[in-house]
Amino acid sequence: DTAVSQTPKYLVTQMGNDKSIKCEQNLGHDTMYWYKQDSKKFLKIMFSYNNKELIINETVPNRFSPKSPDKAHLNLHINSLELGDSAVYFCASSHSPGTGDGYTFGSGTRLTVV
Amino acid sequence: LAKTTQPISMDSYEGQEVNITCSHNNIATNDYITWYQQFPSQGPRFIIQGYKTKVTNEVASLFIPADRKSSTLSLPRVSLSDTAVYYCLVGDYKLSFGAGTTVTVRA
Repeated sequence: DTAVSQTPKYLVTQMGNDKSIKCEQNLGHDTMYWYKQDSKKFLKIMFSYNNKELIINETVPNRFSPKSPDKAHLNLHINSLELGDSAVYFCASSHSPGTGDGYTFGSGTRLTVV
Repeated sequence: LAKTTQPISMDSYEGQEVNITCSHNNIATNDYITWYQQFPSQGPRFIIQGYKTKVTNEVASLFIPADRKSSTLSLPRVSLSDTAVYYCLVGDYKLSFGAGTTVTVRA
């Protein structure tokens, strides 16, 4: 069983479209995250939810909206996609929003906006 | 959030020991030091975490001097499959990763 699974793995879409990426974890973790990795390998946190409550909301355009229907799911919806949104998006989870344990990451969603 | 500095890249050969040093001069008293490994087309994977002195697991060792202003990840006897990007992280849960150290292992 995959611990943190995200779909789709690849997403190619045109500018201006709206798309969603889904994430699910079966580890029983309370905290989930969305990260964006650019071409230089920098991995920047975007959002974090703890028990369905938003606890981290970094400087991200309003076009990005996370939704957590329950502790095991954290989806990312992106409106009006732009070329600069092209990147790999990673979902992750952890027991708690602290430094006591490691994060488990999904395998990523490569988004290409054309 | 404590800033970290690590080499951009390192080359090694199979069977050698690889040591990656990370500087974190403004580490806070209650900050842990965590290392992740990322293979191409995969998400980062937790390797090891420590607070002080030495921590060892089946994958790597982590050496932390008394002042905790740096840490060294040691990979013993690397193989080709250890080629990856290695990230050093310090601090709270806003864990944004830097560019990491790209380790290339050659035959």
